[in-house]
Amino acid sequence: EAGVAQSPRYKIIEKRQSVAFWCNPISGHATLYWYQQILGQGPKLLIQFQNNGVVDDSQLPKDRFSAERLKGVDSTLKIQPAKLEDSAVYLCASSPDSNTGELFFGEGSRLTVL
Amino acid sequence: AQSVTQLDSQVPVFEEAPVELRCNYSSSVSVYLFWYVQYPNQGLQLLLKYLSGSTLVKGINGFEAEFNKSQTSFHLRKPSVHISDTAEYFCAVTGGSYIPTFGRGTSLIVHP
Repeated sequence: EAGVAQSPRYKIIEKRQSVAFWCNPISGHATLYWYQQILGQGPKLLIQFQNNGVVDDSQLPKDRFSAERLKGVDSTLKIQPAKLEDSAVYLCASSPDSNTGELFFGEGSRLTVL
Repeated sequence: AQSVTQLDSQVPVFEEAPVELRCNYSSSVSVYLFWYVQYPNQGLQLLLKYLSGSTLVKGINGFEAEFNKSQTSFHLRKPSVHISDTAEYFCAVTGGSYIPTFGRGTSLIVHP
């Protein structure tokens, strides 16, 4: 079974530029999450999708972050414009069952903002 | 809302010694509990989970954890660690929202 796929693995941009991250979850997993992991900290939820609908985006900085999952499969997370404090690893995870919270993670996309 | 406290940011231990990584949680409702491991430059991988039933759960790589409802704890243990166990370990809890909340992580450093 293929795991959660993320790209790119690494991205370096200047502040105020834009960046997009892509995630393809495990086949059949209806629930998809984006987490932000700042160095030395645990993952923090940005947004949760159930199929193509948003379940929770309360911690997503909506003035600069956006995410979509148009066909209920893969998802894109965009940051525009980026700030220095956005430097982090962006983790995508999927789950077959949104009622337990057991997650399957991708390898992450490491963003460095200069 | 739920929260997770991992009491140790770093745990150094010698190879073949036992180890315990501590995790305490708070939640106003029944919870599910998880331990994940993160190796350098990789995503998180599930070690073990408590959903219901026996409070002692066994996971991969010889790890186990015990759910203690009265002490709101879910400590992770291994009787004999290997160099390859060096990694970051995260405790996570889901409560009423079923959205996992993670602790800050504990860095396990195994010395030869």
